[in-house]
Amino acid sequence: KNQVEQSPQSLIILEGKNCTLQCNYTVSPFSNLRWYKQDTGRGPVSLTIMTFSENTKSNGRYTATLDADTKQSSLHITASQLSDSASYICVVSFNMNYGGATNKLIFGTGTLLAVQP
Amino acid sequence: DTAVSQTPKYLVTQMGNDKSIKCEQNLGHDTMYWYKQDSKKFLKIMFSYNNKELIINETVPNRFSPKSPDKAHLNLHINSLELGDSAVYFCASSQDLKVAGGLGADTQYFGPGTRLTVL
Repeated sequence: KNQVEQSPQSLIILEGKNCTLQCNYTVSPFSNLRWYKQDTGRGPVSLTIMTFSENTKSNGRYTATLDADTKQSSLHITASQLSDSASYICVVSFNMNYGGATNKLIFGTGTLLAVQP
Repeated sequence: DTAVSQTPKYLVTQMGNDKSIKCEQNLGHDTMYWYKQDSKKFLKIMFSYNNKELIINETVPNRFSPKSPDKAHLNLHINSLELGDSAVYFCASSQDLKVAGGLGADTQYFGPGTRLTVL
């Protein structure tokens, strides 16, 4: 069964501190893994995307890692800011069998991050 | 310029009513989606359309019927609303992989969501 699990479920950190969010998946066949940020009351926004051949990808203070062998990914946030408070969702995708027009995405349950001053 | 827009943003209605949520994207994408996000913030795909054709139809009650008049619009009609339908519904769009190719070309762009409350 295709599943994406994230931990922790929620996290509170102080402004300026670093944190790491975890994602484990059992999706197969694997196509790519994405991290999305969802602010309260908004739709998710893509942060990073990686294929099985990529180990790390950065986007500003966000750095995602991927271990395709163990099927694990992490999202590291450096020098957190108040605006980082959001839900972070790990999404794993695979191509559907009709010519690859669309990837089917499996969403994790997310990690709710609260950055406090 | 709003890339993916949804209306209404909030929808409060009585059980048993029929309601529609509209979605429009101005990104020129070929694929559009509807997702349901429950109270636990879990996003689950409901439908996907590619060039007005239904591609993905997850296990969703047939009270939910998507309609795509053109590839820029994907509306969601819900009949006989039930309490369990209360959730936030997100519309999204992405390019057609066959056309765009490349990693990330099919990145989904989400609308702001419609919070549906069934009383």
